[in-house]
Amino acid sequence: GENVEQHPSTLSVQEGDSAVIKCTYSDSASNYFPWYKQELGKGPQLIIDIRSNVGEKKDQRIAVTLNKTAKHFSLHITETQPEDSAVYFCARNQGGKLIFGQGTELSVKP
Amino acid sequence: DAGVIQSPRHEVTEMGQEVTLRCKPISGHDYLFWYRQTMMRGLELLIYFNNNVPIDDSGMPEDRFSAKMPNASFSTLKIQPSEPRDSAVYFCASSRPGETQYFGPGTRLLVL
Repeated sequence: GENVEQHPSTLSVQEGDSAVIKCTYSDSASNYFPWYKQELGKGPQLIIDIRSNVGEKKDQRIAVTLNKTAKHFSLHITETQPEDSAVYFCARNQGGKLIFGQGTELSVKP
Repeated sequence: DAGVIQSPRHEVTEMGQEVTLRCKPISGHDYLFWYRQTMMRGLELLIYFNNNVPIDDSGMPEDRFSAKMPNASFSTLKIQPSEPRDSAVYFCASSRPGETQYFGPGTRLLVL
């Protein structure tokens, strides 16, 4: 199908803990998987992306892993901070467009 | 670069009125996308353009919605007549081929 399944829909963690968000898809033709962060009142902003020729990519406290065989990819945030609180969206490419997951509302409690 | 520019940022109108949303993509980006975001349906792609040509408008909800891209630096999304169920945040995004989409700040539309 076309959808991207994203879990969990809400996630609450204590400051300093790690947060993990997972997405699954079914279209094996997808080869680009971005993650977006959306803060209140703003548009989604790219935070990290991965292409299908690699299994993991890291940028400071953020990492993304991709299992193309199992068709799932995950966002990992370590040492979470209150400013990480936002809605996070995964996506996959399909032709010239992106298909988005339903979003995860992350709350980091100080 | 100023990023993707959208106007207006907020629009309140009455049912039946025409609404026009505007977008200026990032210079050099060949692709332009219009999205609608609601709590119930999440982030939905309405239509996208490549080199000013509409490629996929399968997400446009009905004939009341139309989008144009007269040149590489400007696009409009028009709703005529507007209905309360059209209330949402509308985002414009742009990208180069095969690269990341950059989103604008959105237009928050309320139809009374």
